[in-house]
Amino acid sequence: EAQVTQNPRYLITVTGKKLTVTCSQNMNHEYMSWYRQDPGLGLRQIYYSMNVEVTDKGDVPEGYKVSRKEKRNFPLILESPSPNQTSLYFCASSSTGGSTGYTFGSGTRLTVV
Amino acid sequence: KQEVTQIPAALSVPEGENLVLNCSFTDSAIYNLQWFRQDPGKGLTSLLLIQSSQREQTSGRLNASLDKSSGRSTLYIAASQPGDSATYLCAVVLGQGNLIFGKGTKLSVKP
Repeated sequence: EAQVTQNPRYLITVTGKKLTVTCSQNMNHEYMSWYRQDPGLGLRQIYYSMNVEVTDKGDVPEGYKVSRKEKRNFPLILESPSPNQTSLYFCASSSTGGSTGYTFGSGTRLTVV
Repeated sequence: KQEVTQIPAALSVPEGENLVLNCSFTDSAIYNLQWFRQDPGKGLTSLLLIQSSQREQTSGRLNASLDKSSGRSTLYIAASQPGDSATYLCAVVLGQGNLIFGKGTKLSVKP
């Protein structure tokens, strides 16, 4: 089944403790991206990658890192999480330019205390 | 900068009604447009994808139209059912592949 897999689904952590949210897709998509969703603010893009070793900032990149060493994986790294990063996070993938539409993962609900 | 607006923000209808959700965008230079459904606390499910060269797409009781020149898209839901209750999100795809979302329309269909 074609899908985007995120892990974990739920995560509670403490301020300052580094964490990684994994994202993997099995559709051989070139394009992958991360979004956060907050009440009243909608979905905002954090980082995106147009192919292996190519990443770029989205609208809200502060406090996040990403890497794209392999085509299928695009992990999101929070080096020193803070409470304002408490949010629902989504990973998405698409073929080049979004021509076949975007597929989203099931989401990761992160709480930083 | 591209902005996507969805009206209304919330909508409540009785079961069986036909309804229209609206989406507008400020820059007509889009690659395509995609409609999603999101249930509370869940992921995004793709409903329809309209390429920039197309005018509409249909899937079952759903029909989405696209008018690039006026910067508008509509999602038509026929014979609504309580199971259609969800938030519907419109997103435009820009040339480099970026996806820009509206804030959604929360639909409630009453039995």
